Amino acid sequence: DSGVTQTPKHLITATGQRVTLRCSPRSGDLSVYWYQQSLDQGLQFLIQYYNGEERAKGNILERFSAQQFPDLHSELNLSSLELGDSALYFCASTPGTADSPLHFGNGTRLTVT
Amino acid sequence: GNSVTQMEGPVTLSEEAFLTINCTYTATGYPSLFWYVQYPGEGLQLLLKATKADDKGSNKGFEATYRKETTSFHLEKGSVQVSDSAVYFCALSKRGTALIFGKGTTLSVSS
Repeated sequence: DSGVTQTPKHLITATGQRVTLRCSPRSGDLSVYWYQQSLDQGLQFLIQYYNGEERAKGNILERFSAQQFPDLHSELNLSSLELGDSALYFCASTPGTADSPLHFGNGTRLTVT
Repeated sequence: GNSVTQMEGPVTLSEEAFLTINCTYTATGYPSLFWYVQYPGEGLQLLLKATKADDKGSNKGFEATYRKETTSFHLEKGSVQVSDSAVYFCALSKRGTALIFGKGTTLSVSS
């Protein structure tokens, strides 16, 4: 058990809808990363937060947004969903110190129909 | 930009066979290099890492050596077990930046 909790485990929704994915980092970790895993693109970095502030952005679409709350949990919001957004979305956390390894949650599998 | 290239799978081996999964990287400067493993239905777990040239990372019988001259970080294990069946990801990071992953290599070990 990595200590990172993601909910829900599975999500099925229709095109055009909006969903929210939630992540609770390991106790004490200040930094949260979101990754998208799909068969064709592999693992793509979306966005990173550190102690409530956005730290880095990767290949995140404008239809997607995220935030980290004062209790350090994070939410990833996906809107105007398209079939191509179907993927596994992982959250990972780390204390935020240099070279500290990422601890991944088990992911949320999103299916857009 | 920075990138990681892994050998494509799947890799299919018999138990006790020798494993090599090739990984090469492109990056400026001196990145840290990692191998992560993903078991079915789970998130990624750190397997081993190396932070500077000629460092060898090792864990659970797996090893990888950071070779700057060949920009490689190949994963090896002398004798694989059925329980090693998983997807293996090579990754790099520059100080303070997010991990960049390769596309993953599926390993299937049969008894």
